[in-house]
Amino acid sequence: QITLKESGPTLVKPTQTLTLTCTFSGFSLTTSGVGVNWVRQPPGKALEWLALIYWNDDRRFTPSLKNRLTITKDTSKNQVVLTMTNMDPVDTGTYYCTHIYSLSTDYSGMDVWGQGTTVTVSS
Amino acid sequence: EIVMTQSPLSLAVRPGEPASISCRSSQSLLQGGGNTYLDWYVQKPGQSPQLVIYLAYNRASGVPDRFSASGSDTDFTLKISRVEAEDVGVYYCMSAAQVPRTFGQGTKVEIK
Repeated sequence: QITLKESGPTLVKPTQTLTLTCTFSGFSLTTSGVGVNWVRQPPGKALEWLALIYWNDDRRFTPSLKNRLTITKDTSKNQVVLTMTNMDPVDTGTYYCTHIYSLSTDYSGMDVWGQGTTVTVSS
Repeated sequence: EIVMTQSPLSLAVRPGEPASISCRSSQSLLQGGGNTYLDWYVQKPGQSPQLVIYLAYNRASGVPDRFSASGSDTDFTLKISRVEAEDVGVYYCMSAAQVPRTFGQGTKVEIK
């Protein structure tokens, strides 16, 4: 059974750096095709995809935030870490990590989501 | 960036009645391998989103067969043949054809 759980601060000040950790079980980020996404949702608004890291360390980012985002994996700890610099109140929202499998024409969709972690950006 | 446009943005349906949500992409979601990279997700009240459909028409594990999806290229539809109370939530289509992945605005499905 695949599970993912996000963790990190609930409150950050403007201009600070946010560090979120996704701790997962039931799969390995050393397995070909496996990836972890980050998706966020401002209060009352739609979902926004942020970033993705694959088993082979291929990393993808949404262009509008690319300069502020870093994504890394620690396969020994089964964790993926997302950092976002220069936080602003508009970054307030719930942040989710998700599992994905994509290799050649095999694709799973974001088939398992974490429970989400809520981040408020305020001074 | 592929823009995803859903309609309607809200839908009130009587139990047992059908529901249909449309999603249109600004570019084709068909990729070279023959797959169409369109997913549907639902976010039920107070919950994380969950996968409903992947690759345009494949039901995710555990999704009831009253859910079906169709479409190709740039036009897609999610259908619920007989809406049940547990189907309420916000439904999102998402392009996975390229980076960035992009979601539609969401369609809120409610029970009348």
